[in-house]
Amino acid sequence: GAVVSQHPSWVICKSGTSVKIECRSLDFQATTMFWYRQFPKQSLMLMATSNEGSKATYEQGVEKDKFLINHASLTLSTLTVTSAHPEDSSFYICSAYLGQDTGELFFGEGSRLTVL
Amino acid sequence: QKEVEQDPGPLSVPEGAIVSLNCTYSNSAFQYFMWYRQYSRKGPELLMYTYSSGNKEDGRFTAQVDKSSKYISLFIRDSQPSDSATYLCAAYSGGYQKVTFGTGTKLQVIP
Repeated sequence: GAVVSQHPSWVICKSGTSVKIECRSLDFQATTMFWYRQFPKQSLMLMATSNEGSKATYEQGVEKDKFLINHASLTLSTLTVTSAHPEDSSFYICSAYLGQDTGELFFGEGSRLTVL
Repeated sequence: QKEVEQDPGPLSVPEGAIVSLNCTYSNSAFQYFMWYRQYSRKGPELLMYTYSSGNKEDGRFTAQVDKSSKYISLFIRDSQPSDSATYLCAAYSGGYQKVTFGTGTKLQVIP
């Protein structure tokens, strides 16, 4: 199946620093990608929809200035957690549709962020 | 009411059993239905993808969608310990709209 790759898979940072997570579609072009957050033993929480060449659409309650999303190309979207705090520690997962009008949504491997 | 409802479990079965996982949904616009498997600390893996009503089979897995009753099912035959994971059902209306997920059912297959 289609491959979505995330990097890094695991990151530890100090409180107050910024962390960037990359999401790449390896064998297809993705005009739309989604960023999710998942707390332990909980389901996926959609944070934002990332659109290539335009601003991301954030879900209610998600701070757009804290979670910066950039989708500069058809194969790359980035999520930057700015001025990270311990409460931002979580599992962040990106996903992309294989194509328009298909429900085949593929996920990256996830990135575990720990803020000390 | 959530758009996609799923029993969180946990569900524990002996190896070799047939597993039935179910979801209900409320949005009539949903046309695409998926099942994902998620192992601990990993991203979800797409298992089955179905358009509209009907059955789809892939090896030991069978997905069923009944749009008249808004019911989604995943059956796992001859369950294996390696099937132990959280299973997420999902639905979506088309285009580039967001996918709505169930809360996930944690399955444990006991050897």
